[in-house]
Amino acid sequence: DADVTQTPRNRITKTGKRIMLECSQTKGHDRMYWYRQDPGLGLRLIYYSFDVKDINKGEISDGYSVSRQAQAKFSLSLESAIPNQTALYFCATSGTVSNQPQHFGDGTRLSIL
Amino acid sequence: EDQVTQSPEALRLQEGESSSLNCSYTVSGLRGLFWYRQDPGKGPEFLFTLYSAGEEKEKERLKATLTKKESFLHITAPKPEDSATYLCAVQAPQAGTALIFGKGTTLSVSS
Repeated sequence: DADVTQTPRNRITKTGKRIMLECSQTKGHDRMYWYRQDPGLGLRLIYYSFDVKDINKGEISDGYSVSRQAQAKFSLSLESAIPNQTALYFCATSGTVSNQPQHFGDGTRLSIL
Repeated sequence: EDQVTQSPEALRLQEGESSSLNCSYTVSGLRGLFWYRQDPGKGPEFLFTLYSAGEEKEKERLKATLTKKESFLHITAPKPEDSATYLCAVQAPQAGTALIFGKGTTLSVSS
């Protein structure tokens, strides 16, 4: 089983809909991250969380919200989806020691029509 | 502004033809530079972490090196299974342990 699991793997929806992407991990890591990947732009940070009570905005948080339901679960919501939020979304985790690598899930491909 | 630039964007090699990928960075107080491999439809897979200038890490046909301004990923005698997108990222102190990624180099190795 994967250490970092993202659901759904693919989603097609319409403009204006509310969408939730979920991430769960079995690595026991405290730190979790949401990134988005667009062709030609690379991976960009949306939100990150160092523990259940600590949520921080990343580079491109506008239009997104997150919830850290437990140490192992971190969800990303699009309250009212728009077409330019069409992208690949990745969840990642890392330990609390500085400089530890991040470990990624296999992503959610989201298309907003 | 912290930045990471990778070159070339794409690289085509024949099997056995060695080459290098470049990652140049500008960041205040580098905490770590990371190399990842990404296959189509998959998330980035961790390869190496480099912490200080002069450091080198090796894994099979890959060797990563670090200077004060850039990192190289050397690929020796590549095989078709080395075909992937290689991502470089740096850790930015102002974002905790979050990473700033380059746009990647897509490597294609033909037999």
